[in-house]
Amino acid sequence: EAQVTQNPRYLITVTGKKLTVTCSQNMNHEYMSWYRQDPGLGLRQIYYSMNVEVTDKGDVPEGYKVSRKEKRNFPLILESPSPNQTSLYFCASSLVGAGGGTEAFFGQGTRLTVV
Amino acid sequence: RKEVEQDPGPFNVPEGATVAFNCTYSNSASQSFFWYRQDCRKEPKLLMSVYSSGNEDGRFTAQLNRASQYISLLIRDSKLSDSATYLCVVNTGGFKTIFGAGTRLFVKA
Repeated sequence: EAQVTQNPRYLITVTGKKLTVTCSQNMNHEYMSWYRQDPGLGLRQIYYSMNVEVTDKGDVPEGYKVSRKEKRNFPLILESPSPNQTSLYFCASSLVGAGGGTEAFFGQGTRLTVV
Repeated sequence: RKEVEQDPGPFNVPEGATVAFNCTYSNSASQSFFWYRQDCRKEPKLLMSVYSSGNEDGRFTAQLNRASQYISLLIRDSKLSDSATYLCVVNTGGFKTIFGAGTRLFVKA
C-alpha cells in the first residue's frame, strides 16, 4: 500500500529537549516536505526536499532542521523545542516537485506539545 | 496580504444544496492549483486538480481564472459526507506550496 508514515503520532515534550519526527514514504517520490498546521493559519511549509541531499527552506523554517540522506526518509529535527512549536505537523511526498503539479500524499500527522 | 486567501467559513448548508468556495492567490507566476479536503484531525487529501479549462468530477466542479487570479470549487447536491475543511493549494512554479487557511463546510440533514 502506498503511504507516508510519520512517527510518533503524538508527542509531549519539555522545552529544550531535542526531538526528531520521522517520515518515510514507499512511493519512490523525489519531493518531500514538512508542514505545520495551526488554527486559522492553515498549513505552512517548513522545509522541502527536491531529492536526496537537496533541501530548502519553506515559509517557517526557524527552529527546525531536516535531512535527506535517503530518498524514502525525511526526518524533522527540533534541536531545542519551544512552546511556540506546539502544533500539528504533516509530512508529504509527491512524485515531482511542486511546479510539476502532482498530487501530494500526506502522513497522518504528528501532534506535538511542548511544555 | 496572504499569498492564498479563501472565503472565511464556516458554511452551513442543508443536504442537497449547492455551495461554492472561492480562493484568490497573489503570485501571478503560480503554475499549479488544487483543492484538498481535510477531515477533522486527519491528513489533507487531494480532491481535484484545477485546470485552465476547468474540470468536473461528479458533483464537484473546479475552475481557474488566471486573469483575476482566483480559483473556485462548486459542490452540487451536498451530502452529509461532504462536511469537511476545503483547502485551496497553489504551487508557485518553484518548489514552494502554499495552502489557504481552509473553509469549513457543515452539511446538515
